[in-house]
Amino acid sequence: TQLLEQSPQFLSIQEGENLTVYCNSSSVFSSLQWYRQEPGEGPVLLVTVVTGGEVKKLKRLTFQFGDARKDSSLHITAAQPGDTGLYLCAGAGGTSYGKLTFGQGTILTVHP
Amino acid sequence: IAGITQAPTSQILAAGRRMTLRCTQDMRHNAMYWYRQDLGLGLRLIHYSNTAGTTGKGEVPDGYSVSRANTDDFPLTLASAVPSQTSVYFCASRTSGSTDTQYFGPGTRLTVL
Repeated sequence: TQLLEQSPQFLSIQEGENLTVYCNSSSVFSSLQWYRQEPGEGPVLLVTVVTGGEVKKLKRLTFQFGDARKDSSLHITAAQPGDTGLYLCAGAGGTSYGKLTFGQGTILTVHP
Repeated sequence: IAGITQAPTSQILAAGRRMTLRCTQDMRHNAMYWYRQDLGLGLRLIHYSNTAGTTGKGEVPDGYSVSRANTDDFPLTLASAVPSQTSVYFCASRTSGSTDTQYFGPGTRLTVL
């Protein structure tokens, strides 16, 4: 069974601060995806990282895939209240082709 | 463009009752999935279907069944609901390709009393 450990589970910060969310596994994934979910809605894909060591930037969000493709991180610079939400990492491939293994999620609250 | 629709939006159900959650997609995706979401546990896969006519068990299949008669519809049935099945249920579909992107519906909030 593939597992993804996501941390921290809760994060409460002030506007303007930086933060990092981590996603770790002992399994290798063919790709790692990050989703954002708002209350009452389904998760929406933010980014997919495929290559070990890959770094992708989406405005103030930076996503990194570990060299061994077992871990990933999401870094937000100068967080804003609009960043508030649930962030989920999900691993694809490995022993479960076509299916995603999700981390437990990080609930981020950014206070104005 | 509708994407994925789910019905009902929410439901309160007495224990022991039968319930079917509906999911329809208009993107012609071959693969579809059912997840349940519980606080602290993330999204857990219940059942999946790689193509019409085939289904498979996910991480937490007990108490649930699915069918995939055609490409667009993937209903999830609780034969005899129990309180531990209180959760938010999400249906998703997947594009083909190496990135395995999944698109999620808006969810069904189910409460079993």
